[in-house]
Amino acid sequence: GAVVSQHPSRVICKSGTSVKIECRSLDFQATTMFWYRQFPKQSLMLMATSNEGSKATYEQGVEKDKFLINHASLTLSTLTVTSAHPEDSSFYICSAQDSYNPPEAFFGQGTRLTVV
Amino acid sequence: GNSVTQMEGPVTLSEEAFLTINCTYTATGYPSLFWYVQYPGEGLQLLLKATKADDKGSNKGFEATYRKETTSFHLEKGSVQVSDSAVYFCALRIASNTGKLIFGQGTTLQVKP
Repeated sequence: GAVVSQHPSRVICKSGTSVKIECRSLDFQATTMFWYRQFPKQSLMLMATSNEGSKATYEQGVEKDKFLINHASLTLSTLTVTSAHPEDSSFYICSAQDSYNPPEAFFGQGTRLTVV
Repeated sequence: GNSVTQMEGPVTLSEEAFLTINCTYTATGYPSLFWYVQYPGEGLQLLLKATKADDKGSNKGFEATYRKETTSFHLEKGSVQVSDSAVYFCALRIASNTGKLIFGQGTTLQVKP
């Protein structure tokens, strides 16, 4: 099956710093990727849809200046959490959509972000 | 709006017990329905899916039937194993041309030997 690699799996950073999370589709091209956030014991909430070569589409209530998304190639999307605060601590998961009809979405292993 | 509701966990079972995890949805149009599984420390893996009413998805002994009349997609397995311990997410996809999903809150399953 299709593989999506997310890196890093865990990261601890200090308040005020920025953290970049990478999402790569290893064996297929993904024009569309999705970024989700998962709070403890809660569901995955879609943050934004990342489109290759164009601006990301953010869900209501998600700060686009806080969560910068770049999708510069067909196999890589990045999420940068800028000026991180402890309330940004969470589990972030990406998924990459293949080009079949209907498309299938494959998930990365997630990134546990802890802001101290 | 579109939403998915799952039964609250954790669900604790003994090995070889019968499993049911309830999932109901609210959606406009004709969504596709999915079950994903998340093992500890890992991402989500697609377990099974159904794309239209009365379809039954099945995989690894798990199955779920798309019931439009009750807007449900309950997950079942006849005999669980310790290795089935994980978090299970029910999800729906509204548009057929996108991989965008709406998830339920997840249900933790603990299977004891």
